Amino acid sequence: ELKVEQNPLFLSMQEGKNYTIYCNYSTTSDRLYWYRQDPGKSLESLFVLLSNGAVKQEGRLMASLDTKARLSTLHITAAVHDLSATYFCAVDKSGNTPLVFGKGTRLSVIA
Amino acid sequence: GAGVSQSPSNKVTEKGKDVELRCDPISGHTALYWYRQSLGQGLEFLIYFQGNSAPDKSGLPSDRFSAERTGGSVSTLTIQRTQQEDSAVYLCASSLDGAGVLSPYNEQFFGPGTRLTVL
Repeated sequence: ELKVEQNPLFLSMQEGKNYTIYCNYSTTSDRLYWYRQDPGKSLESLFVLLSNGAVKQEGRLMASLDTKARLSTLHITAAVHDLSATYFCAVDKSGNTPLVFGKGTRLSVIA
Repeated sequence: GAGVSQSPSNKVTEKGKDVELRCDPISGHTALYWYRQSLGQGLEFLIYFQGNSAPDKSGLPSDRFSAERTGGSVSTLTIQRTQQEDSAVYLCASSLDGAGVLSPYNEQFFGPGTRLTVL
Protein backbone atom coordinates (compact mmCIF):
# COMPACT_ATOMS: atom_id res chain seq x y z
CA GLU A 1 0.00 0.00 0.00
CA LEU A 2 1.34 3.37 -1.02
CA LYS A 3 1.64 5.79 1.90
CA VAL A 4 2.85 9.37 1.96
CA GLU A 5 4.19 11.19 4.98
CA GLN A 6 4.89 14.87 5.20
CA ASN A 7 6.69 16.80 7.85
CA PRO A 8 6.33 19.10 9.49
CA LEU A 9 2.54 19.27 9.56
CA PHE A 10 2.62 22.81 10.91
CA LEU A 11 5.25 25.40 10.21
CA SER A 12 5.47 28.95 11.38
CA MET A 13 8.33 30.88 9.91
CA GLN A 14 9.49 34.44 9.79
CA GLU A 15 9.59 36.45 6.64
CA GLY A 16 12.95 36.27 4.94
CA LYS A 17 13.88 32.88 6.37
CA ASN A 18 14.48 29.62 4.51
CA TYR A 19 12.88 26.30 5.29
CA THR A 20 12.28 22.85 3.83
CA ILE A 21 9.20 20.63 3.84
CA TYR A 22 9.81 16.89 3.50
CA CYS A 23 7.73 14.27 1.77
CA ASN A 24 8.47 10.55 2.14
CA TYR A 25 6.59 7.81 0.35
CA SER A 26 6.52 4.11 1.05
CA THR A 27 6.79 2.29 -2.26
CA THR A 28 8.11 2.93 -5.72
CA SER A 29 6.20 5.68 -7.41
CA ASP A 30 6.36 7.16 -10.88
CA ARG A 31 5.24 10.71 -10.24
CA LEU A 32 5.48 13.15 -7.36
CA TYR A 33 3.29 16.23 -7.14
CA TRP A 34 3.24 19.33 -4.99
CA TYR A 35 0.03 21.27 -4.55
CA ARG A 36 -0.83 24.46 -2.73
CA GLN A 37 -4.19 25.07 -1.03
CA ASP A 38 -5.32 28.43 0.33
CA PRO A 39 -8.04 28.44 3.01
CA GLY A 40 -11.44 27.72 1.52
CA LYS A 41 -9.93 27.21 -1.92
CA SER A 42 -9.12 24.23 -4.08
CA LEU A 43 -5.73 22.75 -4.86
CA GLU A 44 -3.34 24.52 -7.19
CA SER A 45 -0.69 22.45 -8.92
CA LEU A 46 2.84 23.66 -8.23
CA PHE A 47 5.21 20.98 -9.49
CA VAL A 48 5.21 17.54 -11.08
CA LEU A 49 8.43 15.56 -10.73
CA LEU A 50 9.07 12.43 -12.74
CA SER A 51 12.63 11.30 -12.48
CA ASN A 52 15.36 10.85 -9.94
CA GLY A 53 17.26 14.06 -9.39
CA ALA A 54 14.53 16.19 -10.91
CA VAL A 55 14.54 19.75 -9.65
CA LYS A 56 11.98 22.42 -10.47
CA GLN A 57 11.82 26.01 -9.31
CA GLU A 58 9.13 28.64 -9.38
CA GLY A 59 9.80 31.90 -7.61
CA ARG A 60 10.76 31.24 -4.00
CA LEU A 61 9.80 27.56 -4.16
CA MET A 62 12.03 24.75 -5.32
CA ALA A 63 11.08 21.08 -5.40
CA SER A 64 13.40 18.12 -5.77
CA LEU A 65 12.99 14.37 -6.01
CA ASP A 66 15.22 11.52 -4.87
CA THR A 67 13.53 8.31 -6.00
CA LYS A 68 16.11 6.08 -4.36
CA ALA A 69 15.41 7.59 -0.96
CA ARG A 70 11.70 7.95 -1.84
CA LEU A 71 11.96 11.54 -0.73
CA SER A 72 10.91 14.87 -2.13
CA THR A 73 11.64 18.26 -0.64
CA LEU A 74 9.96 21.62 -1.09
CA HIS A 75 12.41 24.36 -0.24
CA ILE A 76 11.22 27.85 0.57
CA THR A 77 13.68 30.68 0.10
CA ALA A 78 13.30 34.06 1.80
CA ALA A 79 9.69 33.44 2.77
CA VAL A 80 7.06 36.11 2.25
CA HIS A 81 3.56 36.34 3.71
CA ASP A 82 1.94 35.40 0.38
CA LEU A 83 3.39 31.91 0.71
CA SER A 84 1.15 31.19 3.71
CA ALA A 85 -0.98 28.20 2.70
CA THR A 86 -1.19 24.44 3.09
CA TYR A 87 1.18 22.46 0.90
CA PHE A 88 0.44 18.89 -0.09
CA CYS A 89 2.63 16.34 -1.74
CA ALA A 90 1.08 13.42 -3.57
CA VAL A 91 2.33 10.42 -5.49
CA ASP A 92 0.93 7.99 -7.99
CA LYS A 93 2.09 5.25 -10.29
CA SER A 94 1.80 5.31 -14.03
CA GLY A 95 -1.34 3.84 -15.42
CA ASN A 96 -4.79 4.24 -14.02
CA THR A 97 -4.09 5.11 -10.42
CA PRO A 98 -5.31 7.88 -8.15
CA LEU A 99 -3.15 10.26 -6.20
CA VAL A 100 -2.18 9.37 -2.65
CA PHE A 101 -1.77 12.52 -0.60
CA GLY A 102 0.23 13.44 2.44
CA LYS A 103 -1.63 15.14 5.27
CA GLY A 104 -0.34 18.55 4.23
CA THR A 105 1.93 21.13 5.79
CA ARG A 106 0.21 24.25 7.04
CA LEU A 107 2.65 27.09 6.54
CA SER A 108 2.30 30.47 8.23
CA VAL A 109 4.74 33.20 7.35
CA ILE A 110 4.85 35.95 9.94
CA ALA A 111 6.48 39.34 9.91
CA GLY B 1 -14.46 25.94 -19.89
CA ALA B 2 -11.26 27.23 -18.42
CA GLY B 3 -11.14 24.85 -15.49
CA VAL B 4 -12.93 22.17 -13.54
CA SER B 5 -16.25 23.35 -12.17
CA GLN B 6 -18.36 21.83 -9.42
CA SER B 7 -21.84 22.45 -8.16
CA PRO B 8 -23.24 23.26 -5.75
CA SER B 9 -20.43 25.04 -3.94
CA ASN B 10 -22.16 24.46 -0.63
CA LYS B 11 -24.79 21.95 0.36
CA VAL B 12 -26.48 21.62 3.72
CA THR B 13 -28.72 18.62 4.16
CA GLU B 14 -30.44 16.67 6.86
CA LYS B 15 -29.29 13.28 7.95
CA GLY B 16 -30.95 10.57 5.88
CA LYS B 17 -31.47 12.66 2.75
CA ASP B 18 -29.85 11.92 -0.59
CA VAL B 19 -27.52 14.41 -2.27
CA GLU B 20 -26.04 14.76 -5.74
CA LEU B 21 -22.79 16.54 -6.44
CA ARG B 22 -21.82 17.53 -9.93
CA CYS B 23 -18.46 17.90 -11.65
CA ASP B 24 -17.68 19.38 -15.06
CA PRO B 25 -14.12 18.49 -16.07
CA ILE B 26 -11.85 20.43 -18.35
CA SER B 27 -12.91 19.93 -21.95
CA GLY B 28 -10.96 17.12 -23.56
CA HIS B 29 -9.83 15.52 -20.32
CA THR B 30 -10.63 11.83 -20.38
CA ALA B 31 -9.80 11.04 -16.76
CA LEU B 32 -11.91 12.26 -13.85
CA TYR B 33 -11.35 11.73 -10.13
CA TRP B 34 -13.37 12.29 -6.97
CA TYR B 35 -11.65 12.96 -3.66
CA ARG B 36 -12.93 13.84 -0.22
CA GLN B 37 -11.24 16.24 2.17
CA SER B 38 -12.23 15.99 5.82
CA LEU B 39 -10.81 17.72 8.86
CA GLY B 40 -8.18 15.49 10.34
CA GLN B 41 -8.40 12.98 7.49
CA GLY B 42 -6.62 14.80 4.73
CA LEU B 43 -7.49 14.06 1.14
CA GLU B 44 -8.81 10.61 0.34
CA PHE B 45 -9.51 9.09 -3.05
CA LEU B 46 -13.07 7.97 -3.79
CA ILE B 47 -13.40 6.93 -7.44
CA TYR B 48 -11.72 7.34 -10.80
CA PHE B 49 -13.22 7.42 -14.31
CA GLN B 50 -11.50 6.84 -17.60
CA GLY B 51 -14.07 7.90 -20.15
CA ASN B 52 -17.40 6.67 -18.84
CA SER B 53 -16.09 3.63 -17.05
CA ALA B 54 -14.78 3.46 -13.51
CA PRO B 55 -11.74 1.18 -13.33
CA ASP B 56 -11.15 2.04 -9.69
CA LYS B 57 -13.95 2.42 -7.16
CA SER B 58 -11.86 1.25 -4.26
CA GLY B 59 -12.16 4.47 -2.28
CA LEU B 60 -15.94 4.62 -2.02
CA PRO B 61 -16.55 4.34 1.73
CA SER B 62 -19.85 2.45 1.57
CA ASP B 63 -22.59 1.32 -0.77
CA ARG B 64 -24.39 4.59 -0.03
CA PHE B 65 -21.88 6.25 -2.35
CA SER B 66 -22.12 5.92 -6.12
CA ALA B 67 -20.94 7.89 -9.11
CA GLU B 68 -21.51 7.98 -12.80
CA ARG B 69 -20.11 9.77 -15.78
CA THR B 70 -21.93 10.35 -19.02
CA GLY B 71 -20.69 11.34 -22.46
CA GLY B 72 -17.13 11.22 -21.19
CA SER B 73 -17.73 14.55 -19.53
CA VAL B 74 -19.97 15.45 -16.59
CA SER B 75 -19.86 13.28 -13.51
CA THR B 76 -22.31 13.01 -10.63
CA LEU B 77 -21.45 11.71 -7.17
CA THR B 78 -24.50 10.55 -5.27
CA ILE B 79 -24.65 9.94 -1.55
CA GLN B 80 -27.75 8.18 -0.31
CA ARG B 81 -29.12 8.37 3.22
CA THR B 82 -26.46 10.86 4.26
CA GLN B 83 -24.80 10.56 7.64
CA GLN B 84 -23.02 13.21 9.68
CA GLU B 85 -19.68 11.58 8.98
CA ASP B 86 -20.23 12.32 5.29
CA SER B 87 -19.69 16.01 6.02
CA ALA B 88 -16.59 17.07 4.09
CA VAL B 89 -15.40 18.95 1.04
CA TYR B 90 -15.79 16.83 -2.07
CA LEU B 91 -13.21 17.65 -4.71
CA CYS B 92 -13.25 16.68 -8.33
CA ALA B 93 -10.19 16.64 -10.56
CA SER B 94 -9.56 15.87 -14.20
CA SER B 95 -6.50 15.02 -16.22
CA LEU B 96 -5.75 14.69 -19.89
CA ASP B 97 -5.25 10.95 -19.72
CA GLY B 98 -5.23 8.87 -16.57
CA ALA B 99 -2.97 6.25 -18.08
CA GLY B 100 -0.25 8.77 -18.75
CA VAL B 101 -0.05 7.85 -22.42
CA LEU B 102 -0.70 11.31 -23.81
CA SER B 103 1.17 13.09 -21.07
CA PRO B 104 3.62 11.43 -18.70
CA TYR B 105 2.85 14.03 -16.07
CA ASN B 106 -0.83 13.11 -15.71
CA GLU B 107 -1.30 16.44 -13.98
CA GLN B 108 -4.62 16.58 -12.19
CA PHE B 109 -6.48 19.88 -12.10
CA PHE B 110 -8.87 20.35 -9.23
CA GLY B 111 -12.24 22.03 -9.06
CA PRO B 112 -13.28 24.39 -6.24
CA GLY B 113 -15.05 21.63 -4.35
CA THR B 114 -18.48 21.16 -2.81
CA ARG B 115 -18.70 21.66 0.92
CA LEU B 116 -21.26 19.19 2.24
CA THR B 117 -22.70 19.61 5.71
CA VAL B 118 -25.00 16.94 7.08
CA LEU B 119 -27.00 18.09 10.09
